[in-house]
Amino acid sequence: GAGVSQTPSNKVTEKGKYVELRCDPISGHTALYWYRQSLGQGPEFLIYFQGTGAADDSGLPNDRFFAVRPEGSVSTLKIQRTERGDSAVYLCASSSTGVSEQYFGPGTRLTVT
Amino acid sequence: GEDVEQSLFLSVREGDSSVINCTYTDSSSTYLYWYKQEPGAGLQLLTYIFSNMDMKQDQRLTVLLNKKDKHLSLRIADTQTGDSAIYFCAERNQKVTFGIGTKLQVIP
Repeated sequence: GAGVSQTPSNKVTEKGKYVELRCDPISGHTALYWYRQSLGQGPEFLIYFQGTGAADDSGLPNDRFFAVRPEGSVSTLKIQRTERGDSAVYLCASSSTGVSEQYFGPGTRLTVT
Repeated sequence: GEDVEQSLFLSVREGDSSVINCTYTDSSSTYLYWYKQEPGAGLQLLTYIFSNMDMKQDQRLTVLLNKKDKHLSLRIADTQTGDSAIYFCAERNQKVTFGIGTKLQVIP
């Protein structure tokens, strides 16, 4: 079975542009998480979906960040008016309800120039 | 809020045991995790422990949890060069909070 996949693997964009990052969770996993990992840091929680709804979006840094999961499977993280400080690796993870393990994707490395 | 702290660096000789320590603040944590991240790679779950346990052993890995002191440790027996990586401690209530990571260097 396929693991969590994320596309693109790398994204370079100019300051002020809009970007979308995609996550395909493991089939059947109802929970989906987005994290951001800056250089030399641990992953920082952004948002958690249970099914289609955002159960906890307290980690989103500001209103330029938004995420959706319209059919309870694939999720898209959207960043408007990107800033250089948004440069990081964006990680997605999924898990089954009631199961403790989160399975991480390889991440999308975002570079804002 | 939740906070997870761990030392930044550990160096051991091949064949020795490694002990990586972590402290956390959230007394409501349900699970505590150890993840491994190799250069340029994603996060790999090594092991986890439920908060009502005090020890878990899995082959060369031993996790000890002192819930009273909110202290978690990971012991790697017979450390190999392939164990060189960054090890993240994480705790979960609803969301997961990660530490900054401990870089383990194994000297041949």
